[in-house]
Amino acid sequence: GQSLEQPSEVTAVEGAIVQINCTYQTSGFYGLSWYQQHDGGAPTFLSYNGLDGLEETGRFSSFLSRSDSYGYLLLQELQMKDSASYFCGSQVTGGFKTIFGAGTRLFVKA
Amino acid sequence: DGGITQSPKYLFRKEGQNVTLSCEQNLNHDAMYWYRQDPGQGLRLIYYSQIVNDFQKGDIAEGYSVSREKKESFPLTVTSAQKNPTAFYLCASAGQYSGANVLTFGAGSRLTVL
Repeated sequence: GQSLEQPSEVTAVEGAIVQINCTYQTSGFYGLSWYQQHDGGAPTFLSYNGLDGLEETGRFSSFLSRSDSYGYLLLQELQMKDSASYFCGSQVTGGFKTIFGAGTRLFVKA
Repeated sequence: DGGITQSPKYLFRKEGQNVTLSCEQNLNHDAMYWYRQDPGQGLRLIYYSQIVNDFQKGDIAEGYSVSREKKESFPLTVTSAQKNPTAFYLCASAGQYSGANVLTFGAGSRLTVL
């Protein structure tokens, strides 16, 4: 089957660094993507890893290790507005289909 | 502005009724998707379409139907056969970004069955 595992909740302090892990078991794996969703809103794209290694986009970085079926999202200099749910998504079927994990709820405290 | 428009935003339905959720995009994307979101269960794929007049079942297609007669439109019908239809429904289309299939989501439609 297809599955992605993420922690359900993470809490961190404003200004800190937090890492959200994602392990996947998907056939036809093409790449790993990350989306952010605020309460009541639509998910928005953050980052994508098609190859092993680190991708950096401002305060956000994402990492992929295909041999370990593992990736993570790293958020630096946390701000209150980063409080949201974060979903990892496995792209399969030649990249046309994205299967998501259950999401990680991030709480940023002052 | 380019984007995805879903309507209605909120919908109430009696048991046994079919309901159709609208999804329109002006991003000129070929691929479109419907996801269902329940609390604590993330996003689950219902149907997707890579091109006009073609669509495939996702992981939870039972009780749902779709059509793709135009590139811009991908409506979802929640039929009376869907056992637990109360959920948040998200439509998305996909564009390419550095080899990635990047999803742009609409604002969602929240369906409540009374």
